[in-house]
Amino acid sequence: AQTVTQSQPEMSVQEAETVTLSCTYDTSESDYYLFWYKQPPSRQMILVIRQEAYKQQNATENRFSVNFQKAAKSFSLKISDSQLGDAAMYFCAYRSTWAGGTSYGKLTFGQGTILTVHP
Amino acid sequence: DAGVTQSPTHLIKTRGQQVTLRCSPKSGHDTVSWYQQALGQGPQFIFQYYEEEERQRGNFPDRFSGHQFPNYSSELNVNALLLGDSALYLCASSFGRTGFSEQYFGPGTRLTVT
Repeated sequence: AQTVTQSQPEMSVQEAETVTLSCTYDTSESDYYLFWYKQPPSRQMILVIRQEAYKQQNATENRFSVNFQKAAKSFSLKISDSQLGDAAMYFCAYRSTWAGGTSYGKLTFGQGTILTVHP
Repeated sequence: DAGVTQSPTHLIKTRGQQVTLRCSPKSGHDTVSWYQQALGQGPQFIFQYYEEEERQRGNFPDRFSGHQFPNYSSELNVNALLLGDSALYLCASSFGRTGFSEQYFGPGTRLTVT
């Protein structure tokens, strides 16, 4: 079974600065997806960015980028030019693409990192 | 275009009772997944429905059951409620059963068991 670990329960950053959230995962599969989701106090889980394991190029979405290290099974999220609206719980998640597996189609989440943005 | 909707928003039940939570998927989506999120934790996968059948199931007891209707909406039923069932229940919808479609989440139902 796959596992996802976020070792930083809480992080903080000053507005306009950069912060990096860490995530490691364990899997024996070679093809999969990795995601970062944001969950603000409103509870709505919002997709921030996704990475396909077969792509070597790191995904980027505006101020959000990832550092995907497949061999190290590491998937960190960098938020540049942090804004007050970035404050939320951030979850790293894994999804298998192997149709024959028991994890097919489901998301496996880490424990989350609470991000605080100081003005 | 309405996103994923869930009802009710909040619910308070007594231990031993039964509860039904509802989810309407995003327009064009035919797959519904349910997750349980305890306070301060990451969501845990309960099960997934596609073509009105349960296709995948997480490590949850049989007290947790579900249903998907022909219009793709879904229900989550929990019997014999325990205090530990208190959580945020999230519904996510996607298109097709493959692992390639994005899952869109609803706002969740907050269940409190007293």
